[in-house]
Parts: sequence; C-alpha cells; structure tokens
Amino acid sequence: AQSVTQPDIHITVSEGASLELRCNYSYGATPYLFWYVQSPGQGLQLLLKYFSGDTLVQGIKGFEAEFKRSQSSFNLRKPSVHWSDAAEYFCAVGHSGGGADGLTFGKGTHLIIQP
Amino acid sequence: DTAVSQTPKYLVTQMGNDKSIKCEQNLGHDTMYWYKQDSKKFLKIMFSYNNKELIINETVPNRFSPKSPDKAHLNLHINSLELGDSAVYFCASSQDAGADTQYFGPGTRLTVL
Repeated sequence: AQSVTQPDIHITVSEGASLELRCNYSYGATPYLFWYVQSPGQGLQLLLKYFSGDTLVQGIKGFEAEFKRSQSSFNLRKPSVHWSDAAEYFCAVGHSGGGADGLTFGKGTHLIIQP
Repeated sequence: DTAVSQTPKYLVTQMGNDKSIKCEQNLGHDTMYWYKQDSKKFLKIMFSYNNKELIINETVPNRFSPKSPDKAHLNLHINSLELGDSAVYFCASSQDAGADTQYFGPGTRLTVL
C-alpha cells in the first residue's frame, strides 16, 4: 500500500529565508506526486505536481520540488518565504495504475513565518 | 465561477440526525471524490465516483452514502450522525480516474453535538 511521510509537523522560518519541506513516499510503481497548500479555514490548492519527465518541477507562488527516486523523496522548496506562505502543506501520492483510488496524503507540515 | 463548490460551509447538528452535504463541479470532470479531514488535519479518501459508478469505498461506515444525480454532482449523505463524525469534509474532482490532478472544494465543517 502506498504511504506518505512528512517528518516535520511544524516548521518555523523567518520571512525572507529559504524553505524546504520534506516528503518521503512509499509506492511500488512510478509515483504521481503532489504538493497542496491549505490556508486556515480554506480548501486545498495545488502547488505543483510530478508525473514524469524533468525531476525538478516548478509550481505556483515561487515553489519548486525535486523528485529523487533513489531517496523516495519529493521535497518542496522556496528560496525566500513571505508571511502569506504561512499555512499547512500536504504532500500526496496518486495511484498510477488506473482506477479512482484517490490521493494518499501525508499528515501535513504546519509552516510558521516569523517576522 | 467556482470550480468545485460545496454547501453548506458549516453544519452543526445533533447526534442521531441525518444530514447531507452537496458538491458540484463545473470543470466537466469525470471523477469526483469525498475526503475527510480529522481534527489533526489528516486527510483520508472516503469515496470516489467515476461515470456514476462507485469506484472505491474505504473503511467508511455504511451510514455514509455518496449519491451522484449527474456527472457534475456528488452529494454525501450521513445517517445517524455520531460525535466521531465531526470533521471537515472535502469534495474534489479530476478529469480522469487514476492519478490525475484533483481540484478541491472549500470544505464543509461538520460539528456533531
């Protein structure tokens, strides 16, 4: 069964500093990987996704993520965070074998931005 | 022109009641989903519908039943509500089944008293 681990429950970063959120997955085939962001009281917004091809993917709001098959990781990065980036971040893996199995999510990382 | 919408946004009810949450998508997608987010923010798939056919049903009590009157709607009916049903429920849709990008609604916060 597929699974996603986000090792950091909370991360605090100063505004303007760089950010890296970790995500490790377990999946038997080629994974389809996603990062979503959830602002307080809001739904989930897709930041970026990896299906195939270039392992460094660019997303919205200046985010990027790198797929590393050897490490089973898909870490999210941003060179300089803004106060508006404070939110909950979810990594998810999709089933590539067909069938609407839905996404398997990690438990999320809560990002706090210090002024 | 919201892509995926849900109503109501908040729902407060007593134990034992029956309630429904509506979901509509105007993206022309073929597959729709329901997720439950618990108090610790953990998201778990509950159901998905593809072309009016239930594709998966995880370990969800049979008090929960999805109903799809057409491709654009997937409503969630909950019978005999329990305290443990309190959560935020998200509807989502995707163009295809499988690992296509899913677009989420704003969520419905259900509180069972």
